[in-house]
Amino acid sequence: KNQVEQSPQSLIILEGKNCTLQCNYTVSPFSNLRWYKQDTGRGPVSLTIMTFSENTKSNGRYTATLDADTKQSSLHITASQLSDSASYICVVSAYSSASKIIFGSGTRLSIRP
Amino acid sequence: GAGVSQSPRYKVAKRGQDVALRCDPISGHVSLFWYQQALGQGPEFLTYFQNEAQLDKSGLPSDRFFAERPEGSVSTLKIQRTQQEDSAVYLCASSLGRAWNTEAFFGQGTRLTVV
Repeated sequence: KNQVEQSPQSLIILEGKNCTLQCNYTVSPFSNLRWYKQDTGRGPVSLTIMTFSENTKSNGRYTATLDADTKQSSLHITASQLSDSASYICVVSAYSSASKIIFGSGTRLSIRP
Repeated sequence: GAGVSQSPRYKVAKRGQDVALRCDPISGHVSLFWYQQALGQGPEFLTYFQNEAQLDKSGLPSDRFFAERPEGSVSTLKIQRTQQEDSAVYLCASSLGRAWNTEAFFGQGTRLTVV
């Protein structure tokens, strides 16, 4: 069964601290993995997209890693800001099927001043 | 437009009422998706269009749900005889190319509450 599991479910950290969010998947055949940020009441916004051959990609203070062998990804946030408070969703796509774009349940991140 | 636009932003429907949710994708985008997002959960796939063709509707939960994109641009998701379990945020996304290898851009969603 195609699945995307994220951990932790929720996380609270102090402003300025770093954090790492995890994503494990079983989607096959693998096409790409994306991390989205979803603010409350808004649609998801793309942060990074990685294919099989890429093992790291950065977007400002966000750095995503991908280990296609172990089927794991992480999203590292550096020097967190209050505006980073949001849900972070891992999305894994399989080739040849629109329905096989599987969303994780997300990690709810709260940044405290 | 500059992004994916959905309307209405909020909809309250009485149980049994029919509703229609609209999605205006980014101009020129070939692919269009509808998702259902329950509170605290990730989006769940409903259906996918490539231009006007509905290529995958495997995620539609029942025959009360119907989607169309007659001219390959604007799409409408219709829910007939709404029930309380239909309460959710309905997200629309569009992408320039095929589903699995191009960036997808999301609208803000329509929050449907069935009372």
